[in-house]
Parts: sequence; structure tokens; C-alpha cells
Amino acid sequence: DAKTTQPPSMDCAEGRAANLPCNHSTISGNEYVYWYRQIHSQGPQYIIHGLKNNETNEMASLIITEDRKSSTLILPHATLRDTAVYYCIVRSAAGNKLTFGGGTRVLVKP
Amino acid sequence: DTGVSQDPRHKITKRGQNVTFRCDPISEHNRLYWYRQTLGQGPEFLTYFQNEAQLEKSRLLSDRFSAERPKGSFSTLEIQRTEQGDSAMYLCASSLVRDGNTIYFGEGSWLTVV
Repeated sequence: DAKTTQPPSMDCAEGRAANLPCNHSTISGNEYVYWYRQIHSQGPQYIIHGLKNNETNEMASLIITEDRKSSTLILPHATLRDTAVYYCIVRSAAGNKLTFGGGTRVLVKP
Repeated sequence: DTGVSQDPRHKITKRGQNVTFRCDPISEHNRLYWYRQTLGQGPEFLTYFQNEAQLEKSRLLSDRFSAERPKGSFSTLEIQRTEQGDSAMYLCASSLVRDGNTIYFGEGSWLTVV
């Protein structure tokens, strides 16, 4: 699976949109971009995934560039409960595991 | 609750004792995964099953670790002769291959070896 690069940390203001970038320049054509988050002391929570089209669900939006070498996770209205470590992971749909990198530690401030 | 269930959530044991963790995956999920996470690090893959077959084991899974999924449903992870370095959160996850294979995690089992 291709590797990803994320900023180690970022702050955002409560009520504002949080935009989390991820680079995955070596992504293959059959690999999806997955996002998970992990709130302190809890198991990772699935957020969203996509192949090449932009995706939206009740938690977030995923914007993937046309060349698929990078993506952005958007939390539209960040709340204090969104404070967590966010992981961007590239994996094929048939892949047998997720490989976690360092993630981005997001702190939502009042 | 229809999520991945893990038991116990917390375990404190003395060095040298054996411990066993249980995982109940989401119903009908055919893949089950075990991960380990130490403080400040991301989860690390240990092993996974498809139905009852253990298909991959990480080098992290030493001889003291054994995982089973005898009937293709729940799974157990046993650690024999625990060491202080085994202190970590052990995460279980599951997925359904024919339904996009998205992996869902449980809340984890915390192990402290004293």
C-alpha cells in the first residue's frame, strides 16, 4: 500500500471548517483513500473513504485531487468533540489490513 | 450495540502471567483483525483471519502470542508469560469483504503488566 504524509498537528476554531490535508503521491489506480480518527483512549473510528470522486457523509467530506496524489478531509463545523488524531490511509479495497502512519493531531479550540 | 465488542476492556496482570482477550466482530463480518497500540504510537497490525483461517501474522506477533478464531465468529488473543513490554491497548477490528471491506474497530482492551 502507498504511503501517506500528513502534518503532525493543527488547530482549528470551534464552529469553523477544519481542512486536513494528506499527500499520497505513489497511490495506485486501485487504491482507496481512507480516513479514520482516534479520540483519546478509544479505538479508531472510520470516517469516510473514496477512490477518485469526492465523497460526503454525515461526518465529513473527502476531496481527492484529479491526479489522486493528494486529498483533503473536511469537517464542516468542528466541535470540541472532534479533537482527535486523524489518520489518512491508502489501501486497496481487497487489502488485508490498514497501515497507520503518524496522523494529524487536531485540536479544536473554543 | 452492533459494533465490534472486546472483553475485558482493562486488565492488570503480573509479569509472567497469561492473559486472554476476546473479540466479537460485527455480525457476519468474515475478516477479523488484531492490532496493538502503545502510548503515543499509531495502531500496529498483528494478525488477521478470514473466517477461521489465520492468513497473515506480523513479525510483532512473537511466539508468546497466539490468536484463534475457531468457528469463524469470535476470536481470542492470548499472551503467555507476559512481559512489561506487552503493556498496550489491543484492538480488534472486523470487515466484510463483499461489502467494500471497510474495517471497523472495537474500543480496545488495555493491558498493564506490572
